[in-house]
Amino acid sequence: EPEVTQTPSHQVTQMGQEVILRCVPISNHLYFYWYRQILGQKVEFLVSFYNNEISEKSEIFDDQFSVERPDGSNFTLKIRSTKLEDSAMYFCASPFRLGDNEAFFGQGTRLTVV
Amino acid sequence: AQSVSQHNHHVILSEAASLELGCNYSYGGTVNLFWYVQYPGQHLQLLLKYFSGDPLVKGIKGFEAEFIKSKFSFNLRKPSVQWSDTAEYFCAVRFSSNTGKLIFGQGTTLQVKP
Repeated sequence: EPEVTQTPSHQVTQMGQEVILRCVPISNHLYFYWYRQILGQKVEFLVSFYNNEISEKSEIFDDQFSVERPDGSNFTLKIRSTKLEDSAMYFCASPFRLGDNEAFFGQGTRLTVV
Repeated sequence: AQSVSQHNHHVILSEAASLELGCNYSYGGTVNLFWYVQYPGQHLQLLLKYFSGDPLVKGIKGFEAEFIKSKFSFNLRKPSVQWSDTAEYFCAVRFSSNTGKLIFGQGTTLQVKP
């Protein structure tokens, strides 16, 4: 069983639309990461989030992307005005507890932009 | 720049054959090392990890990996593969970083023929 749950498992959206991907940890996790895996390519780091703030982001994470914890538990990745090249599997990861060095990955959301 | 490379992109083996997947990283400082497996349609699962101590680590499903600091390598091994080991394998490294992000290798697709 994954420690984090992602919804939806698959989303199809039209180019230019906004999508929100959700990550729900089972317990009260404090560290969150989003990664992306374009089909056939490697898993890439997008952003890390701690204590309600972005702690690091990659060059991929431009103004099109944003993250937040709207209710203190769910962790969301918003992609504004999606592009075809945003089609990928998006993974949320979160350490089990503060100080842990092991990240648990959610099952991923497959985003298809058409 | 911090990077992780996996030498084998696609490996085809027969059942009972031995497996070794290469992983090298670029950074010379303190690292945490991971191998993840991704079965078709599933999320990333942790196979094993190395933080410190015995450089030969054993993971789940009979996998093991050896950390060779002088070679910046963390190769994954299994003495006898099974058809059920067919999956994508990712090496990941956490470099000395406050944010704990992982840098992934390109992945290796393992196909085991029955």
